[in-house]
Amino acid sequence: NAGVTQTPKFQVLKTGQSMTLQCAQDMNHNSMYWYRQDPGMGLRLIYYSASEGTTDKGEVPNGYNVSRLNKREFSLRLESAAPSQTSVYFCASSEWVSTGELFFGEGSRLTVL
Amino acid sequence: AQKVTQAQTEISVVEKEDVTLDCVYETRDTTYYLFWYKQPPSGELVFLIRRNSFDEQNEISGRYSWNFQKSTSSFNFTITASQVVDSAVYFCALKETSGSRLTFGEGTQLTVNP
Repeated sequence: NAGVTQTPKFQVLKTGQSMTLQCAQDMNHNSMYWYRQDPGMGLRLIYYSASEGTTDKGEVPNGYNVSRLNKREFSLRLESAAPSQTSVYFCASSEWVSTGELFFGEGSRLTVL
Repeated sequence: AQKVTQAQTEISVVEKEDVTLDCVYETRDTTYYLFWYKQPPSGELVFLIRRNSFDEQNEISGRYSWNFQKSTSSFNFTITASQVVDSAVYFCALKETSGSRLTFGEGTQLTVNP
């Protein structure tokens, strides 16, 4: 069982470049999320999608865009990367937003120079 | 606003010792859920437990136990007879029933030495 799969696992960007992080889940979950993890700050929610066709801002959405491509896939795009976006990004899914039990991918480490 | 505080940034113990990870939360909601997640060195967060605010019974699962006290807004996690494989970052999290966001604490790095 793959669970939640993220790509790429590692990426180095220059300031101003753009990139998209891909996420797919095979658990037939309705809700999907993007978090970022920074030292000493825990995980912070960037965007989430409560169900297919909807997306909402989380705690730290600035500088990011998302697309819920279908029920399985939820991508995160950085249009113009900044050094402050250097972080580890996690995609997660849950059956519904209300359940709260999240299943996480392995993370994507992004460095912006 | 909801908030989770894990005051212990790092804990180091010797194998077979018992260890308690502290979690204190703040919320204005009367109904909410509390969680613990484990992040081993491989990086992927793993769900450990969910408790709802109506159920203050302590829970035990093998060497793991959780103590939920609404009076002190705490949801502490104890590992009995710790093992090297328990070494990980542990996150406490809170979700208000009325909201959609899971709020994480800053995490506690647990190192269990042989």
